[in-house]
Amino acid sequence: GAVVSQHPSWVICKSGTSVKIECRSLDFQATTMFWYRQFPKQSLMLMATSNEGSKATYEQGVEKDKFLINHASLTLSTLTVTSAHPEDSSFYICSTTGTGYNEQFFGPGTRLTVL
Amino acid sequence: QKEVEQNSGPLSVPEGAIASLNCTYSDRVSQSFFWYRQYSGKSPELIMSIYSNGDKEDGRFTAQLNKASQYVSLLIRDSQPSDSATYLCAVNGRSNSGGSNYKLTFGKGTLLTVNP
Repeated sequence: GAVVSQHPSWVICKSGTSVKIECRSLDFQATTMFWYRQFPKQSLMLMATSNEGSKATYEQGVEKDKFLINHASLTLSTLTVTSAHPEDSSFYICSTTGTGYNEQFFGPGTRLTVL
Repeated sequence: QKEVEQNSGPLSVPEGAIASLNCTYSDRVSQSFFWYRQYSGKSPELIMSIYSNGDKEDGRFTAQLNKASQYVSLLIRDSQPSDSATYLCAVNGRSNSGGSNYKLTFGKGTLLTVNP
């Protein structure tokens, strides 16, 4: 498996501000990390695939200028929600494949509330 | 549109019973299948992966895969109250953006309640 941490675990911010979420792979050098979003009572939706040293790959319908992803090292990927609005309030979760075959291991998640 | 379908439940079983969770998927080229458990307010935890037709057992959990029917299931034997959670079925498929082959598509999950 893989051990993944996220910081912060929860954040409350005012509308219009930017929020940065960190995702760290603690025991595995992750060339690829994934960012998901989960709204209440909904399933996980992949937002983007974060690739170390290159640009992230965003899923259809996800605004890359609003959700900035940086994967500058093999252990850290960051997601910045720019100009956050109440509709961005959600549970943001990152994952990495670890050493498994296509298995993904999730961080504990970050709950974002935008007032 | 690639889809993964699960009965949302809730599925309620008594303690000690077998819980049966089902999942169907639409993309025939899918090769990898996963079951995750998600407690309320927490992130998903991988409990089973299966890649070949047939059964795979791990402790009280058995995953079953039938690619011809595009069907995957999870059996939980001797269900415990601590098994009460939402169970997410996930299927590996190609990203809509043409990116990583490791994209997982999740079902909406089945809420399982095990009553003491």
